[in-house]
This record gives sequence, C-alpha cells and structure tokens, in this order.
Amino acid sequence: KQEVTQIPAALSVPEGENLVLNCSFTDSAIYNLQWFRQDPGKGLTSLLLIQSSQREQTSGRLNASLDKSSGRSTLYIAASQPGDSATYLCAVRPSGSGGGADGLTFGKGTHLIIQP
Amino acid sequence: DAGITQSPRHKVTETGTPVTLRCHQTENHRYMYWYRQDPGHGLRLIHYSYGVKDTDKGEVSDGYSVSRSKTEDFLLTLESATSSQTSVYFCAISKHQGTQYNSPLHFGNGTRLTVT
Repeated sequence: KQEVTQIPAALSVPEGENLVLNCSFTDSAIYNLQWFRQDPGKGLTSLLLIQSSQREQTSGRLNASLDKSSGRSTLYIAASQPGDSATYLCAVRPSGSGGGADGLTFGKGTHLIIQP
Repeated sequence: DAGITQSPRHKVTETGTPVTLRCHQTENHRYMYWYRQDPGHGLRLIHYSYGVKDTDKGEVSDGYSVSRSKTEDFLLTLESATSSQTSVYFCAISKHQGTQYNSPLHFGNGTRLTVT
C-alpha cells in the first residue's frame, strides 16, 4: 500500500527566506505527484503537477522536483511571504495494480507559517 | 475555480439520521471523487466515479454510498450517520480520458458535517 510522508509537520520561518518542504512515498509506481496548498477552513488549491517522466515543474516562486526512483519530492518556495502561510499537501497517483482511476494518496501536510 | 460546487457547506445532524451531500460540476469531467479530511489522518478516499452510474469504493467506504445519475452530479449518502463520520468532506474532479491518469485533481470548498 502506498504511503506518503511529509516532513516537517510544521515549519515557521521569517519572511524573505527560501525554504524547502519534503515529501516521500513508498512505492515508485506512480503516474504523477501533485502539490496543493490549503488555507484554514478552505479547500485544496492545486499548485503543481509533476508527471512521472518529469524531473521538475515551476510556477512563479514555486519549484517542485521529483525523484521517482528514490521516492522523493521537494517543494521549493523562494523569497517567502506572509501570504504563503498555509498547509502544503503532497499527493501521488499510484499506477500499480488497479491504481490510477482511484485518485490520489495524500500525505498529512506541512503547516507553514511565514513570520512578517 | 474548477467549477465545483458542494452543498451544503455546513450541516449538523443527529446520530442515526441519513444525510446526503451533493457535488456539482460545470465542466462535464468524467472522474469525480469524495474524500474526507480528519486531523491525524489527512485526506482519505471514500468513493469515486468514472462515469454515469459507474462508481467504486475507496479506502474508507463503510457507512457511505454514492450515486451518479448525471455527469454533473455526484451524491454522497451517509445511510445512518454516526459521530465517527463527523468530518470535512471534499469533492474532487479530474478530466483525464481513458487510462491516461495524467490530469490534476481539482477540489471543491468542502462540507463540514457534524454528527451529534
């Protein structure tokens, strides 16, 4: 069974710092990996999607990398701002037996606070 | 905004009563999902649908049923609500075709359900 782990569970940094959030998964048989952010009391907003054949994706100040063979992904946030404060979730779409149609397997998230 | 509306946004109900949550999409995507989110467990898949009248169980399907009579609507029913079903419920959609599970999931804003 695929398991997704996110470290750290919580992180607090001063505004302006560059930071890295980590995600690991136990089974490398995946179609893709997706990063989300979730604000308190809100739904999930998709940030980046990396296909299994890709190494990284970039959107603005965000860069996500994927090393499928080692079961790792990182989300790099450059020049952090207070508005980046949220919970960041990593999820993989398994491609093993029966996988794919049944959606994503999620980590429990990293709660990020950017101090002004 | 991925064109997903969940209703109701909040509901309080009593143990033993049936409850139906609705997910409506405006984009005619084939795949729809119901997840629940709980502290300490993250997001877990309840049921999903891959077309009209085509549904399957997820990781935590006991006590839940679903129906999809139209492409745009995916209903989640708690047949006899229990306190353990107090949670935030999220609907998601994905637009991939066939077995190319390479599209991102987009989420609604959630329904907060409290069972007393």
